[in-house]
Amino acid sequence: AQSVSQHNHHVILSEAASLELGCNYSYGGTVNLFWYVQYPGQHLQLLLKYFSGDPLVKGIKGFEAEFIKSKFSFNLRKPSVQWSDTAEYFCAVNSPGGSQGNLIFGKGTKLSVKP
Amino acid sequence: DAGITQSPRHKVTETGTPVTLRCHQTENHRYMYWYRQDPGHGLRLIHYSYGVKDTDKGEVSDGYSVSRSKTEDFLLTLESATSSQTSVYFCAIRGAPGQPSYNEQFFGPGTRLTVL
Repeated sequence: AQSVSQHNHHVILSEAASLELGCNYSYGGTVNLFWYVQYPGQHLQLLLKYFSGDPLVKGIKGFEAEFIKSKFSFNLRKPSVQWSDTAEYFCAVNSPGGSQGNLIFGKGTKLSVKP
Repeated sequence: DAGITQSPRHKVTETGTPVTLRCHQTENHRYMYWYRQDPGHGLRLIHYSYGVKDTDKGEVSDGYSVSRSKTEDFLLTLESATSSQTSVYFCAIRGAPGQPSYNEQFFGPGTRLTVL
């Protein structure tokens, strides 16, 4: 069965620090990969996605992620975080061949950015 | 934002009572999903639907039932609520077939349910 692991439960950074959140998945076939963000009290919003092609994906708000197939990883990065990036971040995966489109989520990483 | 609404947005109920949560979409999309979100667990799939009257179980379906009598509405029922079902419930829809977003999901605003 597919699973997603996010390495960090809670990350605390100061503004302007660089961010990298780890995500590893277990699945032997082709995958679609996603990062969602949830700001306090809000619903999940898509940050970025990888389906195929260039393994370096750029998303909204200056975020990017790199798909490394050999490591089954899809880490999220941002060169300089802002206080407004305080949120919870979820990595998710589904299979392009999966007819139901079901997403498997990691447990989330809470990011706190100190002003 | 995708046209997804959830009702109620907040509910407090007592153990043993039935509860129904509603998800409504204006996109006319085929696939709809119910998730629960709990600290330390991320989002877990409860049930999903792939068409009117077509539903299936997800990872954590025990104690929940669903119904979809119209494309736009997907109902989640807790037949006899328990304290372990205190959670935030999110509905999602899948993107339209043939579109780049087909493998994405779009989420509603959530319902915070407290079972006392």
